[in-house]
Amino acid sequence: DFQMTQSPSSVSASVGDRVTITCRASQHINNWLAWYQQKPGSAPKLLIHDAFSLQTGVPSRFSGSGSGTEFRLTISGLQPEDFATYYCQQVNRFFPLTFGGGTRVEV
Amino acid sequence: QVHLVESGGGVVQPGGSLRLSCEASGFSFSAYGMHWVRQAPGKGLEWMAYLGPGGGEKYYADSVKGRFTISSDNSRNSLYLQMNTLRRADTAVYYCVRDGLGGSDYWGQGTLVTVSA
Repeated sequence: DFQMTQSPSSVSASVGDRVTITCRASQHINNWLAWYQQKPGSAPKLLIHDAFSLQTGVPSRFSGSGSGTEFRLTISGLQPEDFATYYCQQVNRFFPLTFGGGTRVEV
Repeated sequence: QVHLVESGGGVVQPGGSLRLSCEASGFSFSAYGMHWVRQAPGKGLEWMAYLGPGGGEKYYADSVKGRFTISSDNSRNSLYLQMNTLRRADTAVYYCVRDGLGGSDYWGQGTLVTVSA
């Protein structure tokens, strides 16, 4: 099975900061990676698909990069509504489609 | 507008069974793969099961293989998860999720399953 390792597990930041979250895959997954945002009490929301493609309606301050085994989610200019938990997931059709452990972005 | 609405959660004793349902609307249900993803209280997301378009492919997480069964009824635009031999570790919010190939693009609001004596 693919293992997905996210770091850091939590990050303290302020409005306006640039935040980068890393996700490492145990095996090469090309660009088959998605990023999600989850706020307390709500379902996750897809932010980035195929490693760097912004989902429709997601603000452009979110960006994804990387390929192969190392990926990054960057939030450029953190906004108050961005304080949440972020997850990566490998979606390369080799099941199980493993999630990373999550990164909590907090004040 | 895509909507996914789960139902069927509740409290069940260890060893018991439960069937979750997910009613889909706003898209051509039979043309999409669908997932079940769960989240234990205070924990991260865990992928559970996948059903391919048309129902041909099925995959499960090792933790539920042999106990859970994913299925669908295209005439009802509905996805199901039959859960047998439930354990306390199965306590979680269960989400019905549409597969968008590069990522899961629509999620239901979730239904809570509590396994407790």
